[in-house]
Amino acid sequence: EAQVTQNPRYLITVTGKKLTVTCSQNMNHEYMSWYRQDPGLGLRQIYYSMNVEVTDKGDVPEGYKVSRKEKRNFPLILESPSPNQTSLYFCASSSWTGSPLHFGNGTRLTVT
Amino acid sequence: DAKTTQPNSMESNEEEPVHLPCNHSTISGTDYIHWYRQLPSQGPEYVIHGLTSNVNNRMASLAIAEDRKSSTLILHRATLRDAAVYYCILRDVVWNYGGSQGNLIFGKGTKLSVKP
Repeated sequence: EAQVTQNPRYLITVTGKKLTVTCSQNMNHEYMSWYRQDPGLGLRQIYYSMNVEVTDKGDVPEGYKVSRKEKRNFPLILESPSPNQTSLYFCASSSWTGSPLHFGNGTRLTVT
Repeated sequence: DAKTTQPNSMESNEEEPVHLPCNHSTISGTDYIHWYRQLPSQGPEYVIHGLTSNVNNRMASLAIAEDRKSSTLILHRATLRDAAVYYCILRDVVWNYGGSQGNLIFGKGTKLSVKP
């Protein structure tokens, strides 16, 4: 089944403890992206990747890192999480012709 | 800045048609118009997309203005399960490493409520 898989689904952590949220897709998509969703603010793009080893900042990249060492994986790294990064995170992927985005089921992160 | 403008909310009655508008006055010739929806407690899901001509699929229809500066998502018979936030976004088909085509702005979308 074609899908985007995020792990974990829920994560509670403390300020400053490095964490990684994984995202994997099995559709051989070139494009992958991370979004965060907060009440009243809609979906905001954090980072995106057009292909392996090609990443770019979205609208809210501060405090996040990403890597794209292989096509299927696009992990989101929080080196020193802070409470303002408490949010619902979504990973998405698509092929590179303006085609539809496929979203993961989300990761709800709480930073205390 | 958002490339698309949508009403914050709309209401519909069950089994009636719903027309969800989207304005995109700065659309470029290579932008596809995409619609997604997000059901409560779920990730966004693809609904439909188009370039110039109207499009139909099993979920909805997409009507695109002749000048492409606006579009309308049409749900022919709303059901309670269609209650969701609907997002209209533009996706450039030009693939340019280092360009901004990957920067997709969703905005806040339109929250659709469906009354029984």
